[in-house]
Amino acid sequence: NAGVTQTPKFQVLKTGQSMTLQCAQDMNHNSMYWYRQDPGMGLRLIYYSASEGTTDKGEVPNGYNVSRLNKREFSLRLESAAPSQTSVYFCASSGPLAQFFGPGTRLTVL
Amino acid sequence: QKEVEQDPGPLSVPEGAIVSLNCTYSNSAFQYFMWYRQYSRKGPELLMYTYSSGNKEDGRFTAQVDKSSKYISLFIRDSQPSDSATYLCAMSANSGYALNFGKGTSLLVTP
Repeated sequence: NAGVTQTPKFQVLKTGQSMTLQCAQDMNHNSMYWYRQDPGMGLRLIYYSASEGTTDKGEVPNGYNVSRLNKREFSLRLESAAPSQTSVYFCASSGPLAQFFGPGTRLTVL
Repeated sequence: QKEVEQDPGPLSVPEGAIVSLNCTYSNSAFQYFMWYRQYSRKGPELLMYTYSSGNKEDGRFTAQVDKSSKYISLFIRDSQPSDSATYLCAMSANSGYALNFGKGTSLLVTP
């Protein structure tokens, strides 16, 4: 039982490059989330998916797209990375009680 | 004004001290309250979960919710150096919905 897993752990991109962050959960949760965490800003919700086949924008969705591939997997795509997207990205899933987080992806955009 | 306010600290205490961490919120619809612990360069880890008002105890940790004052607290008894981390409060109006997070309080417990 791995909980929430994320790949990759680290990534360095150049401005304008694209990449997809992968997330998977094995807790049979319906809801999944993508957050970014920046110093002094706390955790900010980018997108969430309340169930397979649905996605909704959070607080800071600009520059990102998401795909809920199936119940287990929820990916985050940066189509054209910008230095402002340098951050730590966390995926989470929630059951009826609380959210559980993955270990994070540290992304640097040069 | 953010819906959830949390003093960022840092808070430094000697080993063995009682630690009090707090959050205030503005949305009276919140009824699910959580505390997360986040070690440096790690993901947030669920520490305590409370529904509605009241107290909940788990070992050295006690979570309190006062909905009338829109105020929640986390108490850590007999604090240890291993408790040094950032503590995040989080809350939502409905179970399984997106959480509203505080910015986190950085705690340092010195030997």
